[in-house]
This record gives sequence, structure tokens and C-alpha cells, in this order.
Amino acid sequence: DTAVSQTPKYLVTQMGNDKSIKCEQNLGHDTMYWYKQDSKKFLKIMFSYNNKELIINETVPNRFSPKSPDKAHLNLHINSLELGDSAVYFCASSLSMITPEQYFGPGTRLTVT
Amino acid sequence: AQRVTQPEKLLSVFKGAPVELKCNYSYSGSPELFWYVQYSRQRLQLLLRHISRESIKGFTADLNKGETSFHLKKPFAQEEDSAMYYCFQGAQKLVFGQGTRLTINP
Repeated sequence: DTAVSQTPKYLVTQMGNDKSIKCEQNLGHDTMYWYKQDSKKFLKIMFSYNNKELIINETVPNRFSPKSPDKAHLNLHINSLELGDSAVYFCASSLSMITPEQYFGPGTRLTVT
Repeated sequence: AQRVTQPEKLLSVFKGAPVELKCNYSYSGSPELFWYVQYSRQRLQLLLRHISRESIKGFTADLNKGETSFHLKKPFAQEEDSAMYYCFQGAQKLVFGQGTRLTINP
């Protein structure tokens, strides 16, 4: 009965590879988010989707492409991985865009070697 | 630009001592402010929201619009309070503060 789940939990890959992280929420929320937490624990929003529509797209390289097949899922695909992409990626959801209280997934620790 | 500032990266206090984690925001409208906590290797969890004015795990936070602050306080710190604490502003633009690592010494 996990509210927001992410797979995989850990991801180790080499530079130049393409990888995806999946996120699912069973809370019936309309809005989902991707955050990046760097090595200094700084959290920054990357994307936000509301009912499958892209709402927020911060200054993130084009190599990052979110996809929302339905409002319960928001996946993150990363092309041509770089060393600087190593971080913990958190998915989150909220009831709506105007209800910003967020529920977070467990995080995916991505290590690029 | 909207900002959330947590001036202390690290804060260390002894068990039983009072603790205050500072948060200042810049937003011209009515802010939506929250405190989130992240225990070691766990997901972020909501701790407090300013509109509810509740006390969770002994923590309280009061919105001071004059000082644009939303400091988190607890009168008597416990060892299990050791964690990363993030202040979050959710109106219009979503912004997290830089986080404060709180360590409670025995």
C-alpha cells in the first residue's frame, strides 16, 4: 500500500548510457514531480506534470525527458548519462497544482561511472 | 525571484536543549510554507504546514509575515530528531531551502 513508489532504488551505469526511472502513485493525485538531490543534499525541482500535462520544466538539459502515460505514472528517461548526473532522484505527488503539499517516493540513487 | 533561505547548513545541540531551525522566504503573495524532514537514507516526510498551526513530534513553526520567516522550534530536543530539515515554499513557484542537518548529541 505504498503511496509513491520508484524503481529502481539504485542504478549504477556508465557514462554515455541511456536509463529510465519509473514512478507510480496510488493516492489519486493529479500532480507529479521530479526532484534532484545533489551530493550536498540540495533539492531542486526538475519537472512537474498535472494530469499528464507538463507544467514545470526547470532549466534541465534536454537529455532528461519526462513521460507521463497517465496521471498515476511519471517516468524519467535520461540520455547520454554524464558524471554530473549522479544524484538521488525523488518523485513526488500532490493532490493538485494548488495544493502543494507533497508526498515523496523513496528516491533512486543514480551513480554514473 | 522566489527564495527560501536556511542560513544554517549544520546545527548541533545537546539532548534536552531547545532547538530552532531558521527559515526565511521571499515571496510577495501569500506563501504556502511547509517543513519536511528526511531521516537517514529515508524519503522526505511532511512535518508541518503553516496553515494547520499544529505541533508534530513536539515541533512548531509560526509564520511571521513581517519578518518573512517560518522558523521551526522544539523546546526539548531528542536524539531521534537528528535528520535533514527542509523548509519549502509551495505557492506559485516550488522552492526548497538548502536544508539544515540537525544533530542531537547525547
